Amino acid sequence: NAGVTQTPKFQVLKTGQSMTLQCAQDMNHEYMSWYRQDPGMGLRLIHYSVGAGITDQGEVPNGYNVSRSTTEDFPLRLLSAAPSQTSVYFCASSITATGVSYNEQFFGPGTRLTVL
Amino acid sequence: KNEVEQSPQNLTAQEGEFITINCSYSVGISALHWLQQHPGGGIVSLFMLSSGKKKHGRLIATINIQEKHSSLHITASHPRDSAVYICAVGKGGSRLTFGEGTQLTVNP
Repeated sequence: NAGVTQTPKFQVLKTGQSMTLQCAQDMNHEYMSWYRQDPGMGLRLIHYSVGAGITDQGEVPNGYNVSRSTTEDFPLRLLSAAPSQTSVYFCASSITATGVSYNEQFFGPGTRLTVL
Repeated sequence: KNEVEQSPQNLTAQEGEFITINCSYSVGISALHWLQQHPGGGIVSLFMLSSGKKKHGRLIATINIQEKHSSLHITASHPRDSAVYICAVGKGGSRLTFGEGTQLTVNP
C-alpha cells in the first residue's frame, strides 16, 4: 500500500493563479481531509469528506474548493491564489467517517506552497 | 485561548533523559491523539487515548479525563526522537482540534 500520497511536494504560484493539489489514498478509507499548517499554529481543517460525493467545510475554507468523485481521490483547488495561502498543506484519511475521534489518522507527506 | 494547549513549546534534552510533554484541553472530548512530525515534515500517529494509559516501546501516553490533561513520556531518549510532537482532541463528529506542537531536540 502506498498509503496517502500528495502531489506536488513543492509549488510556487503567483497571486491570482489557480492550481489543484492532488491527494489519493489506497486504503479504502471513508474519511478524507485537508489541513494547512502555519508557523505558530496547529493544523487547521480546510475541508473534509465523509464519503464519495459528500464534502463539508472545515475551519478555514475560504479560497479553497474540494470534490470527492471517488473514494480514493480528494483534490484541493485554489481558485485565485493569495499570499495568505502560503502554507504547508496536508491531506489525511481515516477508515470511517463516524467516530473520527477514535480512528487513527494517516497523513500524506505534505505540499509546501508559496504564493508570491 | 486555544482549546488545546501544549507545553513546553520547545524542549532540549540529552540522550538518555526521561522526557515529558504535556497537553491540556478546555472542552469535553471523546478521544485524544498524539502525533509525531518528523524533521522532513511527515506526520505519523503515535497513540489514540480515551482513558488510562498506553505504551509502545519507549513511549508512554497517559490521559486524565477529569483534569483534561494528557502527557506523553519518552524513556531513554535518543537523538532519533527529535521531532515535533502534536496533541489533537476529538469531540465526536468529524473533526480534530490540534495543538501547536512541541519541538523536541535530543542531543547525543
